[in-house]
Amino acid sequence: DAGVTQSPTHLIKTRGQHVTLRCSPISGHKSVSWYQQVLGQGPQFIFQYYEKEERGRGNFPDRFSARQFPNYSSELNVNALLLGDSALYLCASSLVRDTDYEQYFGPGTRLTVT
Amino acid sequence: RKEVEQDPGPFNVPEGATVAFNCTYSNSASQSFFWYRQDCRKEPKLLMSVYSSGNEDGRFTAQLNRASQYISLLIRDSKLSDSATYLCVVNNLNFGNEKLTFGTGTRLTIIP
Repeated sequence: DAGVTQSPTHLIKTRGQHVTLRCSPISGHKSVSWYQQVLGQGPQFIFQYYEKEERGRGNFPDRFSARQFPNYSSELNVNALLLGDSALYLCASSLVRDTDYEQYFGPGTRLTVT
Repeated sequence: RKEVEQDPGPFNVPEGATVAFNCTYSNSASQSFFWYRQDCRKEPKLLMSVYSSGNEDGRFTAQLNRASQYISLLIRDSKLSDSATYLCVVNNLNFGNEKLTFGTGTRLTIIP
């Protein structure tokens, strides 16, 4: 079975631009979470979506938004990009909403903002 | 104070040695605890959950001390393949939101 997939793998954007990152969870998984990982730090929670609704939000500005589609795939959108948004963006899926269940991470999208 | 604190290392340890990592968390209401492993430029992967009674998986032993808000990971007979960053992870429930909070990670290098 395919694991969590993310696209694109790498992305270079300019300050002020907008970016959309995509994630497909493991088949049968209904919960998708997004994390930002800056070099040298652990992943930071951005959003959790379950059954197409936002169930959790981390401490990120309103420039960050996300949604989940009927097939449980998800998009993360970031507007008005800043240099500090350069990071690895990780998507994780799990069977249910409860974070006690193992979260499976995708390979990430590496975003560079210049 | 950070929600989850780890010694960032790096830890450089000879092959076959025993190495221990520690982690503290600030929220006494935290409910679940994990150790994840992250190889260079790869995604994190669950190594093991941490239970109050302590748990062991082969060469790996995890301990939780709720009173001291402290989690540990012990690796015995370390292998070259154990070289990675080890992330301490805590499940926090805040205002109805459940989220995983990661420490900064401890970098381990096993030396032949």
